[in-house]
Amino acid sequence: EAGVVQSPRYKIIEKKQPVAFWCNPISGHNTLYWYLQNLGQGPELLIRYENEEAVDDSQLPKDRFSAERLKGVDSTLKIQPAELGDSAVYLCASSPGTGGFETQYFGPGTRLLVL
Amino acid sequence: AQSVTQLDSHVSVSEGTPVLLRCNYSSSYSPSLFWYVQHPNKGLQLLLKYTSAATLVKGINGFEAEFKKSETSFHLTKPSAHMSDAAEYFCVVSNTGTASKLTFGTGTRLQVTL
Repeated sequence: EAGVVQSPRYKIIEKKQPVAFWCNPISGHNTLYWYLQNLGQGPELLIRYENEEAVDDSQLPKDRFSAERLKGVDSTLKIQPAELGDSAVYLCASSPGTGGFETQYFGPGTRLLVL
Repeated sequence: AQSVTQLDSHVSVSEGTPVLLRCNYSSSYSPSLFWYVQHPNKGLQLLLKYTSAATLVKGINGFEAEFKKSETSFHLTKPSAHMSDAAEYFCVVSNTGTASKLTFGTGTRLQVTL
């Protein structure tokens, strides 16, 4: 079974430029998550989707971040414009369901460097 | 509200000796608890999880953890460390009864020396 796929793996951009990250979850997983992991920290949830619906986006900085999950499968996370402080690893995860006991399966992440 | 405290940011052990990574949690509800491992430039991998069944949980690669409600702890152990165990380990809490929202600790870096 294929795992969670993310691309690109690495991205270097200049500040004020836009950037987008793509995630393909495990087949059949209805719930998809985007996390932000700063250096030396644990991941923090940005947004959670159940199928196409964003059911928890309270931690997403909506002035510059946006996300979509068309057709309830793949998802894209966008930053526009990027700031120096956005340099971090962006992780995508998926789970079969939504319960608090569910195991989340993580992709390898996209490492973003904003210059 | 829920939170996790990993008591050691860095642990160093010799190969073949026991591993103990400490974790305390706080949760207003019945918690689910997880340990994830992250190798450099790799994704997070689930080691084990507790979801209100047996309090002693066995995971992959010889790791296990014991849920102790009275101590609000969920420490990770392994009888004998291997060089390949060197990685970052995260203790994670979630509320069993509601939608999955993981709260991660700050991580413990395990170093294994010869």
